[in-house]
Amino acid sequence: SQQGEEDPQALSIQEGENATMNCSYKTSINNLQWYRQNSGRGLVHLILIRSNEREKHSGRLRVTLDTSKKSSSLLITASRAADTASYFCATDARQGAQKLVFGQGTRLTINP
Amino acid sequence: EAGVAQSPRYKIIEKRQSVAFWCNPISGHATLYWYQQILGQGPKLLIQFQNNGVVDDSQLPKDRFSAERLKGVDSTLKIQPAKLEDSAVYLCASSPMTGTRGEQYFGPGTRLTVT
Repeated sequence: SQQGEEDPQALSIQEGENATMNCSYKTSINNLQWYRQNSGRGLVHLILIRSNEREKHSGRLRVTLDTSKKSSSLLITASRAADTASYFCATDARQGAQKLVFGQGTRLTINP
Repeated sequence: EAGVAQSPRYKIIEKRQSVAFWCNPISGHATLYWYQQILGQGPKLLIQFQNNGVVDDSQLPKDRFSAERLKGVDSTLKIQPAKLEDSAVYLCASSPMTGTRGEQYFGPGTRLTVT
């Protein structure tokens, strides 16, 4: 079963605007990871945030984690055409087998 | 460093036929994963190896799927016999960390079409 659910399922914005994607999950986690997938480079890891962290930055990416609401958000600032891709959150549940469970993804389109 | 290698990149077979996929992880990575990604969905873990031992195969349809990791390096995933619903991209990933403590590095995937 899918642990994480991304929202929205699809997002279309103009180049230069900011894009925000959200992920909600059901059970307590050890960490949450964001991945990007496009046809050119396949599935690529973006950021890992641990359950005791609230915010992390990497270049134009900012990830927040709210464990009380069981949710995370990914913000991409000053979007570029190359950011067009599907974005997935993946959670590592604290209980049970150690494995990543991916959500359905958000399809982001950056319009020039 | 070289990335995760997978072959073939594409495969088309008829239902009830057999197929095998190969994966060569990043050198030195102890953990290897096989995922199935159906169009429009996120990847689903099929099996996870640590060195050459199986850590998790709870979502592997064992009546038709099998996987092995010889000598803790390369791995093969086999489907026998294939069904129409097996049409998907099969992704191999590796990680230098055990379990899910770190990021995973994905290969380009094998796109399987079952007709």
